[in-house]
Amino acid sequence: DTGVSQNPRHKITKRGQNVTFRCDPISEHNRLYWYRQTLGQGPEFLTYFQNEAQLEKSRLLSDRFSAERPKGSFSTLEIQRTEQGDSAMYLCASSSHRGTGELFFGEGSRLTVL
Amino acid sequence: AQSVTQPDIHITVSEGASLELRCNYSYGATPYLFWYVQSPGQGLQLLLKYFSGDTLVQGIKGFEAEFKRSQSSFNLRKPSVHWSDAAEYFCAVTTYNFNKFYFGSGTKLNVKP
Repeated sequence: DTGVSQNPRHKITKRGQNVTFRCDPISEHNRLYWYRQTLGQGPEFLTYFQNEAQLEKSRLLSDRFSAERPKGSFSTLEIQRTEQGDSAMYLCASSSHRGTGELFFGEGSRLTVL
Repeated sequence: AQSVTQPDIHITVSEGASLELRCNYSYGATPYLFWYVQSPGQGLQLLLKYFSGDTLVQGIKGFEAEFKRSQSSFNLRKPSVHWSDAAEYFCAVTTYNFNKFYFGSGTKLNVKP
């Protein structure tokens, strides 16, 4: 068990470009979450998957954001036409189906939009 | 609306002193409450959680928290702080299906030698 892995760890892009982040959860975890964290703030919920089904999506999330978890294993978060306000740390967490409620977080992917 | 408030942005305590970090929540359903710690360059780690039962819960690293329904609070405590406890602490709330967790804005703890 190597924990939750996120790639890339850092991404610098120009405004208007598309970016994609990948999350590999702990192998037996069927729950997967994406959060966004900006400086001085707590993690803000973006979306939740149970297996391959996207069951929750924040209403704050614009149409430029999309997430997938095609085979119920790894997940991708894509941001299209990035804006400077998208600069943040994007966190992925996974959790067991057994309902312990404990989230296991990756170290995050930091996005800087110039 | 669901929310978590951590009133203290920064707290500084001396090593060996006691610590209390405040957390208040607003949640329509029965709350499931958590405290996480985030050290620089590391992912968030669970300290403890409360679902039901005894309102005083013990966690890792000598931390404990007390759930007070009447005050909508879930404050984190530690009797004697160590320099390695310097980190940012987040309170979080969810409900029975664990579909969505709401986090507070965090309290950054500094420990003076």
